Amino acid sequence: DSGVTQTPKHLITATGQRVTLRCSPRSGDLSVYWYQQSLDQGLQFLIQYYNGEERAKGNILERFSAQQFPDLHSELNLSSLELGDSALYFCASSVGAGGSGETQYFGPGTRLLVL
Amino acid sequence: GENVEQHPSTLSVQEGDSAVIKCTYSDSASNYFPWYKQELGKRPQLIIDIRSNVGEKKDQRIAVTLNKTAKHFSLHITETQPEDSAVYFCAALKAAGNKLTFGGGTRVLVKP
Repeated sequence: DSGVTQTPKHLITATGQRVTLRCSPRSGDLSVYWYQQSLDQGLQFLIQYYNGEERAKGNILERFSAQQFPDLHSELNLSSLELGDSALYFCASSVGAGGSGETQYFGPGTRLLVL
Repeated sequence: GENVEQHPSTLSVQEGDSAVIKCTYSDSASNYFPWYKQELGKRPQLIIDIRSNVGEKKDQRIAVTLNKTAKHFSLHITETQPEDSAVYFCAALKAAGNKLTFGGGTRVLVKP
């Protein structure tokens, strides 16, 4: 158990819908990272938040957004869902801002299926 | 941006043999290289990492080597066991950056 929690574990929804994925980092960690893992794309970095502020952005679609709250939990919002958005979504956390090569601890993931 | 290539994509070894996975990266500014192991349906877990000021690091049956000049790094698993069967990912992080770029993964199967 990494100490990072994610809810829900599974999510089934329809195209065009909107969903929210939730992540709580390890106690004491200030950074939260979001990753998408699909069969053909591997692990893709989406976005990072550090202490409530967006820190780095990867290949995140405009239909996706995220935020980190004062209690440091983070939410990833996916809207206008398409079949291709079906994937495993992981969050990870680290102690600091991440620039010095800190270990990122991954949560158990949320499996999203868009029908 | 950074690009990480990982080979092979699948690797089948006999229990007790060694397994080697190789990665190359494109950005010479990258200075942190972690390796993650992911079992089926589970989270990626860090198994070893190396920084650019070190050429080799070992932890029991696992070792990682780094060649900065050639921009490649490798994972070595000795005396493989069935529980080593998993997908292994290499990754690279640029100095002062925040974005971990992952390789495509290697599915390792250890046959008893």
